[in-house]
Amino acid sequence: AQSVAQPEDQVNVAEGNPLTVKCTYSVSGNPYLFWYVQYPNRGLQFLLKYITGDNLVKGSYGFEAEFNKSQTSFHLKKPSALVSDSALYFCAVRDIEGSSYKLIFGSGTRLLVRP
Amino acid sequence: DAGVIQSPRHEVTEMGQEVTLRCKPISGHDYLFWYRQTMMRGLELLIYFNNNVPIDDSGMPEDRFSAKMPNASFSTLKIQPSEPRDSAVYFCASSLRGAGETQYFGPGTRLLVL
Repeated sequence: AQSVAQPEDQVNVAEGNPLTVKCTYSVSGNPYLFWYVQYPNRGLQFLLKYITGDNLVKGSYGFEAEFNKSQTSFHLKKPSALVSDSALYFCAVRDIEGSSYKLIFGSGTRLLVRP
Repeated sequence: DAGVIQSPRHEVTEMGQEVTLRCKPISGHDYLFWYRQTMMRGLELLIYFNNNVPIDDSGMPEDRFSAKMPNASFSTLKIQPSEPRDSAVYFCASSLRGAGETQYFGPGTRLLVL
């Protein structure tokens, strides 16, 4: 069965410092991996995805993520955090081998960037 | 494009009443998804459609929940009768055909059942 783990409920970082939001996954085959961000009282906004190819994926707002197959991880990173990055971040996975279009979401990580 | 449109944005109702949530997907998208978000259970997929046909409704909690997609530009999620434990934010999302395609989410409907 597919699953996603976001081990940290909250990540705190100072503005200007690098940030990492962790995600690990479990699928029976190869994964499609996604990151979404949710601001208060808003829907989920797509940040980036890994489908195939280069393990380092660049996305919106300066975010990037690295796919690591051996560690089954897809951590979200940004070199320099902004206060406006404070939000709830979700990692999601879909199993390529399955016929379902179902996305499995992690529990979310709240990012707090302090000025 | 206007993105995925959901209505109403907020709904307050009393236990036992019927609730209907509405969704207009992005034009041209083949897939439509209904999710529920709660603090306790996080984001859960309730049901999804392909070309207006329900494909997987295994996430629908019980018979009180039903979803329809009468055409490519409109879907409803109905709860009858509603219960306090149905209080949540309900999201609709749509995507193009293709397993690697991105799902685009609407702003959600915040439902409170008293």
